[in-house]
Amino acid sequence: DADVTQTPRNRITKTGKRIMLECSQTKGHDRMYWYRQDPGLGLRLIYYSFDVKDINKGEISDGYSVSRQAQAKFSLSLESAIPNQTALYFCATSDFTGGAFFGQGTRLTVV
Amino acid sequence: AQSVTQLDSQVPVFEEAPVELRCNYSSSVSVYLFWYVQYPNQGLQLLLKYLSGSTLVKGINGFEAEFNKSQTSFHLRKPSVHISDTAEYFCAVSDRGRGSTLGRLYFGRGTQLTVWP
Repeated sequence: DADVTQTPRNRITKTGKRIMLECSQTKGHDRMYWYRQDPGLGLRLIYYSFDVKDINKGEISDGYSVSRQAQAKFSLSLESAIPNQTALYFCATSDFTGGAFFGQGTRLTVV
Repeated sequence: AQSVTQLDSQVPVFEEAPVELRCNYSSSVSVYLFWYVQYPNQGLQLLLKYLSGSTLVKGINGFEAEFNKSQTSFHLRKPSVHISDTAEYFCAVSDRGRGSTLGRLYFGRGTQLTVWP
């Protein structure tokens, strides 16, 4: 089994719809992250959580929300999807150094 | 805040040639340093990391990187590349200090390495 599992792997949704991306990890780490990848821009941090009671905004949190349901689960929601949120989304977990384990990614298309 | 600059967005090389992918960072605190690799349609995989000790670190697939504190650089090298090394490579740093940002990764924009036969 993968260390970090993201569902779904691919999703097409319509503008204005709410969508949730889910992430679970088996590494036992406290820290979890959501990143967005766009061509030429690298990875940009959306939200991060250092434990179940700790949620922090990253560089590009507008239009997104998160929920840390348990140590191993961290979900990302788009409350009202818009086309410029079309991207590849990655969940990750890390130890205190930041050495991270990434999921396989969710390719989201908003039409 | 930290920032990471990968100086080349694309690096084309021929098979069996050496390669260097450059990475510079700026930070007001000490950092940990990482290189990640992303193969097509896959997530990121840790290639190597510098936490402390020897400034020359070796990673998977024959890659190595050298931490140069005075130049704030962490360049990635491989003496002889293979076609299978074609991928995107990301340099990243994280805070060593305590506080709310401990462990948070800051990424460069990536370098696409293409190895030609």
